[in-house]
This record gives sequence, structure tokens and C-alpha cells, in this order.
Amino acid sequence: SQQGEEDPQALSIQEGENATMNCSYKTSINNLQWYRQNSGRGLVHLILIRSNEREKHSGRLRVTLDTSKKSSSLLITASRAADTASYFCATVRTDSWGKLQFGAGTQVVVTP
Amino acid sequence: GAGVSQSPSNKVTEKGKDVELRCDPISGHTALYWYRQRLGQGLEFLIYFQGNSAPDKSGLPSDRFSAERTGESVSTLTIQRTQQEDSAVYLCASSPPLGAGIPLHFGNGTRLTVT
Repeated sequence: SQQGEEDPQALSIQEGENATMNCSYKTSINNLQWYRQNSGRGLVHLILIRSNEREKHSGRLRVTLDTSKKSSSLLITASRAADTASYFCATVRTDSWGKLQFGAGTQVVVTP
Repeated sequence: GAGVSQSPSNKVTEKGKDVELRCDPISGHTALYWYRQRLGQGLEFLIYFQGNSAPDKSGLPSDRFSAERTGESVSTLTIQRTQQEDSAVYLCASSPPLGAGIPLHFGNGTRLTVT
């Protein structure tokens, strides 16, 4: 079963706009990570936020975590056509910290 | 340095045949993961190794699936008597000594098609 669920499933925006996607999960976590996947092959790690953190930034990426609501959001500011990809959240549960579980992903299309 | 390498990149096999998928992790990475991704879907956890030990095999879909790892290097995922529902991209990832805050490094996957 999948731990994380992303919302929306798909997102289409124009260059320069911001893209926001959300992730909800079910059980207590140690940390939550966001990954990006191009063309259905290997994933690339973007950012990690720990359970005791509320917000984190990396370049044009901003991640928030609300453990009371068991949810996280990923914001990509000033999007570019090269940001077109699928984005996945992944969680490390406190009761099985060796296993990183992924959600179904949000497919983002950025048009010039 | 070299990343995670998977081979073959593509594999077409007939239903009922056995297949072996190989993963070469990044040197020094003791943790190794296998995931399955069906078309348009998320990643389904299969198994992970810490060294050559597999503490969690809960994700293996059936007894047709097995995985081995030699020391802290190469891993093979074997699927026996393949079925059409096994068609997917099989992704391998590795990370430094297991820690809950360690990101994974992924290979480009093996696309398996069972005809």
C-alpha cells in the first residue's frame, strides 16, 4: 500500500507561474522527501524535511510539513519548461525507518 | 563518480520465462532498494538490503520474486515464470549506511515487457 497520496494528479501551468502540489500520508513519519522523475525512468532527490521541521527551501523549491495534518506541500516558484516532470513524495515511517514509501505522484507540465 | 547502474535497460520476455535484473549500486552504499513502477503509477516497494541482509521482504508480490545481494555490491532481482502483470519498470536505488534521513540515488531502471 502507498503511504503518500499526492494531489493533484496532474497540473498544467505556464512558464513563470508557481506550481503547488500536496502530499498526505497516514502514519507517523521520521522524514518526508520529494523526488522528481523525468520520462518514467530514474528519480532524482529534490529535498528532505524532517518531522521536527516545518518549512525548508532549496533554490526555487519550498517545502512545508504539517505533522498534525499529516500533509506536506511542494512549491516550485517561477516555473520553467524544464520543470516538466512527475513529482513524488516519499515518507520514512517511524516504525519502519529502513523503508522509503512513495506516493502516486503529480505530473506537472509547464508550457512556454 | 558513477551512479547506480541497472542492466539490461530493456527486457522483452515471453510469459513463463525467468528473468534476472541486475543492479550495481554506488560504491560504498550499503543500503540497496528495489521498486516496481507500473505505467503511470507510483513506486511500489519490493525489498531493501542493508549489506547483504534483507530485513524487509514484505513487498515482494509473490514467491516468484526473489532478490540477492553479494556483500555490499551487486544485487539481482529474479522473477520466475513471468506473467503479463509483471510488466513494469523495475527501479533500483542505493544510499550510504542506512539512516532515516538519507536520500536515495536511483538507477534508470529496467523496463520489463512480458508478452
